[in-house]
Amino acid sequence: DVKVTQSSRYLVKRTGEKVFLECVQDMDHENMFWYRQDPGLGLRLIYFSYDVKMKEKGDIPEGYSVSREKKERFSLILESASTNQTSMYLCASSLIGDQVIHFGDGTRLSIL
Amino acid sequence: KNQVEQSPQSLIILEGKNCTLQCNYTVSPFSNLRWYKQDTGRGPVSLTIMTFSENTKSNGRYTATLDADTKQSSLHITASQLSDSASYICVVSAQGGSYIPTFGRGTSLIVHP
Repeated sequence: DVKVTQSSRYLVKRTGEKVFLECVQDMDHENMFWYRQDPGLGLRLIYFSYDVKMKEKGDIPEGYSVSREKKERFSLILESASTNQTSMYLCASSLIGDQVIHFGDGTRLSIL
Repeated sequence: KNQVEQSPQSLIILEGKNCTLQCNYTVSPFSNLRWYKQDTGRGPVSLTIMTFSENTKSNGRYTATLDADTKQSSLHITASQLSDSASYICVVSAQGGSYIPTFGRGTSLIVHP
């Protein structure tokens, strides 16, 4: 089975801090994604990557950056955390051309 | 703009009853449609995937239908169980180019004993 592992299930940070969310997948998938999920808004794409060191902006990239130095690892960075970034963050991966996106269990991030 | 609309937004049913969730989409040209189940505090998990030529696909007590002409899909749950309580998300992909799918906002289902 595909395993997408997010480093933290729950995280509490303070306004202005630099926050790193880590994600690792074990199936050699080319595509990796970061979504945030908020009540009533569904999943919204922040960034995605289709190869090492490649990244593309999603629908809501403002206030975020990403890093993909290795194929299996995709990091989401909040440069200066703000309270409106309190949310559930979901990492996902897929093979190029595959129909199924595999999700991690999410990181519930609270910014105080 | 590609859109996926789901209804109802939330649904409460009694254990043992059937229910049907709806998904309408404007994604074009259509490639495939997937239904995901998301338990509270967990990531979404794929239930079914349907391509243009498929009208019906079952996964245990879950049956998905697709009408590509009217751009509608439904997910029917038979003999509901407490463990069916979850959010159900419809996801649609277009052909060619972008592999970024369009997500619906989900239907929250609560099954009461």
